[in-house]
Amino acid sequence: DIQMTQSPSSVSASVGDRVTITCRASQGIGTWLAWYQQKPGKAPDLLIYSASTLQSGVPSRFSGSGSGTQFTLTISSLQPEDFATYYCQQASSFPNTFGQGTRLEIK
Amino acid sequence: QVQLQESGPGLVKPSETLILTCTVSVGSISGNYWSWIRQPPGKGLEWIGNIYFSGSTNYNPSLKSRVTISLDTSKNQFSLKLRSVTAPDTAVYYCASSHTLLRGAMGSWGRGTLVTVSS
Repeated sequence: DIQMTQSPSSVSASVGDRVTITCRASQGIGTWLAWYQQKPGKAPDLLIYSASTLQSGVPSRFSGSGSGTQFTLTISSLQPEDFATYYCQQASSFPNTFGQGTRLEIK
Repeated sequence: QVQLQESGPGLVKPSETLILTCTVSVGSISGNYWSWIRQPPGKGLEWIGNIYFSGSTNYNPSLKSRVTISLDTSKNQFSLKLRSVTAPDTAVYYCASSHTLLRGAMGSWGRGTLVTVSS
């Protein structure tokens, strides 16, 4: 199985800050990577697919980059509704696997 | 936008079989991958497996010996069967869909259903 490792596991930030979350794959996955946002008690929402393509309806302050084994999710200017947990997922091979999650908290 | 809704028992006894159904209420079963994902309380996401509209399946090796995912195109539903459940199978179970254009990303999710394994 491909292991996905996110860092940091948690981060505290303020409204307006720029935040970057990293996801590393244990082997190359091309750009077969997605990012999700999950709020407490809710299902995950897809933010980005193919490593850098913004899902329809997702604000442009979210962006993704990377290929191979290193990927990043950047939120350019945090809004109050962005405080949540973020997961990466590789879809290069089965079983698909998720990172352990990054909890974004209000400072 | 595809809409999904999970249904099934909220409580299952140890050693029994968990059966969940996901109903696709907007859109069609055709053309997509249909997945099951679970999340134990307070923990991360685990991919269980998926089924393509053609009927081909992929399973997580950690669960493969106990899992079956099936499709009923006449009812626009797909199902998860998990045999011989134990307490670690307690989780919120989500169904999700992925169109091939999303390259494996799951664009639509059900709300999730909590399944507790307990006697």
